[in-house]
Amino acid sequence: EAGVAQSPRYKIIEKRQSVAFWCNPISGHATLYWYQQILGQGPKLLIQFQNNGVVDDSQLPKDRFSAERLKGVDSTLKIQPAKLEDSAVYLCASSPLWGPKNIQYFGAGTRLSVL
Amino acid sequence: TQLLEQSPQFLSIQEGENLTVYCNSSSVFSSLQWYRQEPGEGPVLLVTVVTGGEVKKLKRLTFQFGDARKDSSLHITAAQPGDTGLYLCAGARGGTSYGKLTFGQGTILTVHP
Repeated sequence: EAGVAQSPRYKIIEKRQSVAFWCNPISGHATLYWYQQILGQGPKLLIQFQNNGVVDDSQLPKDRFSAERLKGVDSTLKIQPAKLEDSAVYLCASSPLWGPKNIQYFGAGTRLSVL
Repeated sequence: TQLLEQSPQFLSIQEGENLTVYCNSSSVFSSLQWYRQEPGEGPVLLVTVVTGGEVKKLKRLTFQFGDARKDSSLHITAAQPGDTGLYLCAGARGGTSYGKLTFGQGTILTVHP
């Protein structure tokens, strides 16, 4: 079974530029999550989708971050404009709708450096 | 906001030593998960504990869930360099919060040969 795919793996941009990340979850997983992980810290949930609907985006900085999952499969996360403090690894995870014990499967992440 | 406090934040030990990582909260969780993350990779699930007082063993790793389901510990016996990584605990709640995980800040473990 293929895992969660993310691209690109690395991205370097200058502040005030825009950037987008892509995630393809495990086939059949209804729930998709985007996390922000600052170096040496635990992941922080940005947004949770169930199919193509948003379940929780309470910690998404909506003035500059946006995410969509139009067809309920893959998803994109966009930052516009980027700030220095957005430098982090952006992780995507997925889980089946009624999986056991909230288990989530993570992709390798996209490491963003904002200069 | 539920917080999970992990301690210690950093741990540097020699091969063969034992260690314990703690994960504490003032909130009750329906389950608690432990992940290990290597540089450049996403977190990988090690174990899920569900029942208060539950103990699970995974080779040299022993996981325990507190009786009140507010805390957990990870004990590694005879650590090896391959155990090096970031260890994360994550609490899960049921009901309308089903699927949402709250992560601790992590423990960076370095095992020197």
